[in-house]
Amino acid sequence: AQSVTQPDIHITVSEGASLELRCNYSYGATPYLFWYVQSPGQGLQLLLKYFSGDTLVQGIKGFEAEFKRSQSSFNLRKPSVHWSDAAEYFCAVGSGSARQLTFGSGTQLTVLP
Amino acid sequence: DTEVTQTPKHLVMGMTNKKSLKCEQHMGHRAMYWYKQKAKKPPELMFVYSYEKLSINESVPSRFSPECPNSSLLNLHLHALQPEDSALYLCASSQDHGRVNEQFFGPGTRLTVL
Repeated sequence: AQSVTQPDIHITVSEGASLELRCNYSYGATPYLFWYVQSPGQGLQLLLKYFSGDTLVQGIKGFEAEFKRSQSSFNLRKPSVHWSDAAEYFCAVGSGSARQLTFGSGTQLTVLP
Repeated sequence: DTEVTQTPKHLVMGMTNKKSLKCEQHMGHRAMYWYKQKAKKPPELMFVYSYEKLSINESVPSRFSPECPNSSLLNLHLHALQPEDSALYLCASSQDHGRVNEQFFGPGTRLTVL
């Protein structure tokens, strides 16, 4: 069975600082990987996805993620965080034929002025 | 149009009430999903519809009854709910080509059961 681990429950960074959110997955074949962001009381917005090809993926809002098969990781990065990036971030993995996504437990990002 | 809409935004109901949540998308997606999300937790899958047919029911209690009247609409009928059913209910849609695709989420309905 597939699983996703987000080791950091809560991260605090200062505005303008760089950001890295960690995601580790467990899946036997090539995974389909996603990062979603959720502002309080809102739905989830897709930031980026990895299906195959280039392991460095660019997303919206200046985010990028790197797929590292050897480490079973798909970490999310942003070089300079803005106050509006404060939100909950979810990593998710999907299997090839199923339509289901397995979500990590989420990382709450706080941005200090 | 890349939007999934959900109504109502907020819903308060008693344990004996019957209510419905509605979801609509016009992206031509043929897979639609209902999720339940409790505070500080990830979304939990409830149901998946593929081409208007129920394909996945994650052992959801029968007091939740999904319906997919057409390819653009998804309903969730609620009856005799319990206070622990209070949560954010999210609808999502995706293309359905026999493999996983990115899911587009609506803003959710905040449900409170008294």
